[in-house]
Amino acid sequence: GQQVMQIPQYQHVQEGEDFTTYCNSSTTLSNIQWYKQRPGGHPVFLIQLVKSGEVKKQKRLTFQFGEAKKNSSLHITATQTTDVGTYFCAGNDYKLSFGAGTTVTVRA
Amino acid sequence: DSGVTQTPKHLITATGQRVTLRCSPRSGDLSVYWYQQSLDQGLQFLIQYYNGEERAKGNILERFSAQQFPDLHSELNLSSLELGDSALYFCASSGGYNEQFFGPGTRLTVL
Repeated sequence: GQQVMQIPQYQHVQEGEDFTTYCNSSTTLSNIQWYKQRPGGHPVFLIQLVKSGEVKKQKRLTFQFGEAKKNSSLHITATQTTDVGTYFCAGNDYKLSFGAGTTVTVRA
Repeated sequence: DSGVTQTPKHLITATGQRVTLRCSPRSGDLSVYWYQQSLDQGLQFLIQYYNGEERAKGNILERFSAQQFPDLHSELNLSSLELGDSALYFCASSGGYNEQFFGPGTRLTVL
């Protein structure tokens, strides 16, 4: 069955630095979604990527879908304390499969 | 507020017991999903219902069952509970194959 792997599991970032989290699927995806879960909260939808090679930006967040539609990345520039949380990718073929998430902590 | 409600917020019970978690989706959403999130674990998909019918099944144990009622609310039944069933259980709803809206979750503690 479909498996979605996400790395790194933990990311400790100095405030102001950039970082990237990566997502890889064992199968070709129809689309990929990204969610953010703040500590103590529930996952909140960030974005969906559908097209091969698609790149979307939300302020300091840049999302990319690979050409083969099997991988994706989330790049955050100039990290802020509000970026703290766990970022999940979720690959969609006939059902949504979540990666294990990247938990981000920020050093002020 | 996502518009998805879950009750109860917290549940403490003993091993061997049976509990029911309830979820009301966003108004108009036909799909309901159930997820389990254990400590330091990702989201494990359990099951999806669409307009009352089971649509997809994930890593759901035989001791667990779910249903979606005509008013579209859903219940997840967990029986013969074990210590390892302690987790956060999320319900999510969607109007199609797009974004899922998650409820606040039910934290289950099995003692």
